Amino acid sequence: DAGVTQSPTHLIKTRGQHVTLRCSPISGHKSVSWYQQVLGQGPQFIFQYYEKEERGRGNFPDRFSARQFPNYSSELNVNALLLGDSALYLCASSLVEGLGYNEQFFGPGTRLTVL
Amino acid sequence: AQSVTQLDSQVPVFEEAPVELRCNYSSSVSVYLFWYVQYPNQGLQLLLKYLSGSTLVKGINGFEAEFNKSQTSFHLRKPSVHISDTAEYFCAVSSYNQGGKLIFGQGTELSVKP
Repeated sequence: DAGVTQSPTHLIKTRGQHVTLRCSPISGHKSVSWYQQVLGQGPQFIFQYYEKEERGRGNFPDRFSARQFPNYSSELNVNALLLGDSALYLCASSLVEGLGYNEQFFGPGTRLTVL
Repeated sequence: AQSVTQLDSQVPVFEEAPVELRCNYSSSVSVYLFWYVQYPNQGLQLLLKYLSGSTLVKGINGFEAEFNKSQTSFHLRKPSVHISDTAEYFCAVSSYNQGGKLIFGQGTELSVKP
């Protein structure tokens, strides 16, 4: 079975641009979470979606937004890119709504570089 | 608020030697604890998790961890490491009321030398 897939794998943008990152969860998984991993640090929680509704949001500015589609895939959008947005963006899926103990399965990530 | 501290940023060790990666957490509620491994240019893979019950948890690739509530620790151990264990290791915490939010430590880079 395919794991969590993310596209694109790498992306280069310039400051002020907009970016859309995509994630497809494991088949049957209904919850998707997004994390930002800056080089040399642990991942930081951005969003969690379940059944197309936002169920959690981390401490990120409004430039960051996301949505989940009827097929449970998800998009992460970042507007007005800053140099500090350069990071590995990880998507994770879980079978049901995150209740803390549900295992999250991570994708390979999208490496975003902002110049 | 919850937080995780990984006490060592880098741990060099020789092949076949034992290793311990240290993790301490802070939380005002009951927690679930996880260890993830990240190989270069890859996503995170779950090594093991503590949800409840026995405080000694066994995971994949010969790793194990012990939950110590009084010390608020969840240290990861392996009795004999291989070159292929070279990777970044992350400790993470969540709780029932935090939904899908995992809080990660800064990571420990394990470097296994021949």
